[in-house]
Amino acid sequence: GNSVTQMEGPVTLSEEAFLTINCTYTATGYPSLFWYVQYPGEGLQLLLKATKADDKGSNKGFEATYRKETTSFHLEKGSVQVSDSAVYFCALRALIQGAQKLVFGQGTRLTINP
Amino acid sequence: DTEVTQTPKHLVMGMTNKKSLKCEQHMGHRAMYWYKQKAKKPPELMFVYSYEKLSINESVPSRFSPECPNSSLLNLHLHALQPEDSALYLCASSQERGQGGAEAFFGQGTRLTVV
Repeated sequence: GNSVTQMEGPVTLSEEAFLTINCTYTATGYPSLFWYVQYPGEGLQLLLKATKADDKGSNKGFEATYRKETTSFHLEKGSVQVSDSAVYFCALRALIQGAQKLVFGQGTRLTINP
Repeated sequence: DTEVTQTPKHLVMGMTNKKSLKCEQHMGHRAMYWYKQKAKKPPELMFVYSYEKLSINESVPSRFSPECPNSSLLNLHLHALQPEDSALYLCASSQERGQGGAEAFFGQGTRLTVV
């Protein structure tokens, strides 16, 4: 089947710390992979994406590399800010029962303290 | 313009009311989606429209009725809802559903409370 597993949160860091949020996936075929971010009271915003193996997505200092050999798409940022506090969702897009669907992980709540 | 606009932002309705949620996008996307999100959970897919035709209904109760009047608009008609239907309802759009790499753009959501 198709599924996404994220590291359990919540994650609390100090400002300027290094961030890693782990994400692994199970998929039949070759999915596209995404990270979405959700700020309190808002919808989901696309943070970055990768559509094939070894692609690196990057945006706003965040990076993630599509690793087919380890079926992973870990999110990293070298120096987090208070404004990065949000819920982060890893997702895959794959052909499921004849239709392209997004499959989300459970989400990781990140809190950055000043 | 990469915006998906949802109205209203907040809605409180009684169990006997009829209301509608609206969603609009002008990105030329031909796939549009409704998701339901409960607190501290990921979004759950409800419906998918492709080229204004309903292509996926994820076994959603009939008290939720989607409608796609044209390629830019998506509605969700609500009738006889239950308190457990209270949630954030998200609309999204993407390029034609056959393009696997196409990202979905989400609206800000409608926070629905059923009393």
